[in-house]
Amino acid sequence: GQNIDQPTEMTATEGAIVQINCTYQTSGFNGLFWYQQHAGEAPTFLSYNVLDGLEEKGRFSSFLSRSKGYSYLLLKELQMKDSASYLCAVTLSGGSYIPTFGRGTSLIVHP
Amino acid sequence: EAQVTQNPRYLITVTGKKLTVTCSQNMNHEYMSWYRQDPGLGLRQIYYSMNVEVTDKGDVPEGYKVSRKEKRNFPLILESPSPNQTSLYFCASSVAGDNQPQHFGDGTRLSIL
Repeated sequence: GQNIDQPTEMTATEGAIVQINCTYQTSGFNGLFWYQQHAGEAPTFLSYNVLDGLEEKGRFSSFLSRSKGYSYLLLKELQMKDSASYLCAVTLSGGSYIPTFGRGTSLIVHP
Repeated sequence: EAQVTQNPRYLITVTGKKLTVTCSQNMNHEYMSWYRQDPGLGLRQIYYSMNVEVTDKGDVPEGYKVSRKEKRNFPLILESPSPNQTSLYFCASSVAGDNQPQHFGDGTRLSIL
């Protein structure tokens, strides 16, 4: 089976930096996605990690440690529009490559 | 415009009345999947398809059926809906491969009374 854990909710201040963690326990890990989902909208793709290390994409960065079963999404220079749910999703090796999602982290950015 | 289109966007219906939620993508994607999203439970996979005439169960397939007769379409069928299937449903598609992001439809909010 698979187990993907994320904090349920986080709050942060506009302009600050926030780190959203995701831990996973799976049989045969392949890669990890992060998606953003604003309330009432569809999820949209943010990043994909398959190798250990940090992938930077503008204000957003994603880190993966395969040996620790751990990833984080780092959001810098927070803006009010970053208030959303952030979904961690994993794919398995030898499988369909269609991801399984964690329960998501609701991020609230306040002024 | 590249998109995944779901219909209807909203539906209120009654227990036992068969319904179909359609999903169509215009990106020639091989993979398509259905998820339901419930508060506190996140996105859970119902069924997925890796190509025409190939479908597989996800984590919560009970009470649902799917078909993939054409590459672009992947309808979700509830033969006898029940109140516990009240949820927000998302269809998604992607190119085949392990690093390909999913493209989601706008969602269908179903209420089964």
